[in-house]
Amino acid sequence: DQQVKQNSPSLSVQEGRISILNCDYTNSMFDYFLWYKKYPAEGPTFLISISSIKDKNEDGRFTVFLNKSAKHLSLHIVPSQPGDSAVYFCAAENTDKLIFGTGTRLQVFP
Amino acid sequence: NAGVTQTPKFRVLKTGQSMTLLCAQDMNHEYMYWYRQDPGMGLRLIHYSVGEGTTAKGEVPDGYNVSRLKKQNFLLGLESAAPSQTSVYFCASSPDRVSYEQYFGPGTRLTVT
Repeated sequence: DQQVKQNSPSLSVQEGRISILNCDYTNSMFDYFLWYKKYPAEGPTFLISISSIKDKNEDGRFTVFLNKSAKHLSLHIVPSQPGDSAVYFCAAENTDKLIFGTGTRLQVFP
Repeated sequence: NAGVTQTPKFRVLKTGQSMTLLCAQDMNHEYMYWYRQDPGMGLRLIHYSVGEGTTAKGEVPDGYNVSRLKKQNFLLGLESAAPSQTSVYFCASSPDRVSYEQYFGPGTRLTVT
């Protein structure tokens, strides 16, 4: 059973607009979440994280929002740039391990 | 500082053959992980280690073995490769229990025919 779900396999956004990537989880005990970015033929790289004691965390163009009651988090990228085109994975920390979602492929077009 | 490196980058095996994938990190991290990535499946944890000499099973451990004889190295072994093990394998490391961020290697693409 998938504990971390990314229901949108792909997203296409115009350059300069906002990209919103969504992630849902099932286990209310999860208390730390991360987003990773992956380019083709490379390993994932850490992007941004959020603890369950917060509902928002910002880092430059990237903001992660956490809604604990809905068990939902989202990653906002504003403004989107062509270099943001990649696969984005959300992950939840669970006892020394990360549980990853299936990923969302973001394409930013000019 | 090379970070996390993986050897080899590519490999083709025949069914039944064995091989070992090597992961090395030069960041003195305690925790190391092996994942596989398959289309539509995300990253799934195979085995992990919370320190030198320790190993533990992840989500999909069957058909794989691991060893962590040295802190900087984490080996993933396939004793008898099967076509279902065709995948991209990623190694990752993290400093300790408190820091949840994991640092990934570039991956090994394995094809089993």
